[in-house]
Amino acid sequence: DVQLVESGGGVVRPGGSLRLSCAASGFTFDDFGMSWVRQAPGKGLEYVSGINYNGDKSDYIDSVKGRFTISRDNAKNSLYLQMNSLRADDTAFYYCARTGAGLLWFGELFFWGQGTLVTVSS
Amino acid sequence: EIVLTQSPATLSLSPGERATLSCRASQSISTYLAWYQQKPGQAPRLLIYDASSRATGIPARFSGSGSGTDFTLTISSLEPEDFVFYYCQQRSSWPSTFGQGTRLELK
Repeated sequence: DVQLVESGGGVVRPGGSLRLSCAASGFTFDDFGMSWVRQAPGKGLEYVSGINYNGDKSDYIDSVKGRFTISRDNAKNSLYLQMNSLRADDTAFYYCARTGAGLLWFGELFFWGQGTLVTVSS
Repeated sequence: EIVLTQSPATLSLSPGERATLSCRASQSISTYLAWYQQKPGQAPRLLIYDASSRATGIPARFSGSGSGTDFTLTISSLEPEDFVFYYCQQRSSWPSTFGQGTRLELK
């Protein structure tokens, strides 16, 4: 069975940093693109960033460009999101998700982790 | 950025009834549209991809249709567990975007 398990969330002050991790199992990790999607409490879904199967293509929504970095380690079946200069409006559940096979860094999200909560507050 | 508008925001129906949820794109996205279901406290679950293909394990009462700018998710006969949130998502271009959601509530 496909499993995606996020970790690394927590409470951080504005301007601080966090690194989220996502451990993947149950599929051939380096065949698939991976993504991060967030959801502020009680709000809708926002597709934050994606990375393709081998890590040479990635992109971000404008509001996190220059502050967040997505990466992957195919040897460790792991996805990461380095978040710097965090702001209050980054407060959300962050979900790791798997896209379809292929060269793109984004797509429909076939499998999701359970999410990790990031709270940015002074 | 492609904007997806879902309607209605809230749909009130009873078990056994048919539900029709709409998603409209601000420009043509061919059939690059997916639908997700989200239950309280859980991650979203993919229901439909490429506008009309059911994801693995999704019951046949869920179906999707549409192309271009207008899309529909139909639930043919509502079960009690279907009264939750639904989102559409486009993968035609980056940034990939979601609609604001439709809440399906018990009448």
